[in-house]
Amino acid sequence: GAVVSQHPSRVICKSGTSVKIECRSLDFQATTMFWYRQFPKKSLMLMATSNEGSKATYEQGVEKDKFLINHASLTLSTLTVTSAHPEDSSFYICSARDAGTGGTEAFFGQGTRLTVV
Amino acid sequence: AQSVTQLGSHVSVSEGALVLLRCNYSSSVPPYLFWYVQYPNQGLQLLLKYTSAATLVKGINGFEAEFKKSETSFHLTKPSAHMSDAAEYFCAVSDYNQGGKLIFGQGTELSVKP
Repeated sequence: GAVVSQHPSRVICKSGTSVKIECRSLDFQATTMFWYRQFPKKSLMLMATSNEGSKATYEQGVEKDKFLINHASLTLSTLTVTSAHPEDSSFYICSARDAGTGGTEAFFGQGTRLTVV
Repeated sequence: AQSVTQLGSHVSVSEGALVLLRCNYSSSVPPYLFWYVQYPNQGLQLLLKYTSAATLVKGINGFEAEFKKSETSFHLTKPSAHMSDAAEYFCAVSDYNQGGKLIFGQGTELSVKP
């Protein structure tokens, strides 16, 4: 199956700093990628849809200036958490749609555990 | 709008017993339905998917699910539970126009007792 690599898997940062998370499709081109946030013992909440070469589409209630998304190539999307605060601590997961196979399935990265101290 | 409801946030079964995880969906268009499994601190792994072909879908690790339009359900089953099946399971819905954009249920934690 298609592989999506997410990096880093775990990061600890100080309050007020910014953190960048990368999501790469390794063996397919992904015109669309998705970013989810997962709280402990909770389901995945879609944050935004990342489209290659255009602005991301954010879900209602998600601060676009805080969660910056860039999808500069067909294999890479990045999520930057700006001026991070402890309440941003969470598990962030990306997924990528393989447009070459009809796009009915999204493949998930391994997730990034962000801890803001 | 689409939505998914998973009945039971926690299910406990004995090893070798039947596993049944319930999922009901709501969709105004023909849905695509998915079951994912998540182990602690990991991403999601696809177990199986329904995309308007056969209503009985077989997946990995012995899991299967049946799409029942009349009941708007897509329950996940496995005849005999293994200890390694203990994990969090998510049902998700999408539609063709949003291929890849998933709406998830609340998740069901499966425990397997020896």
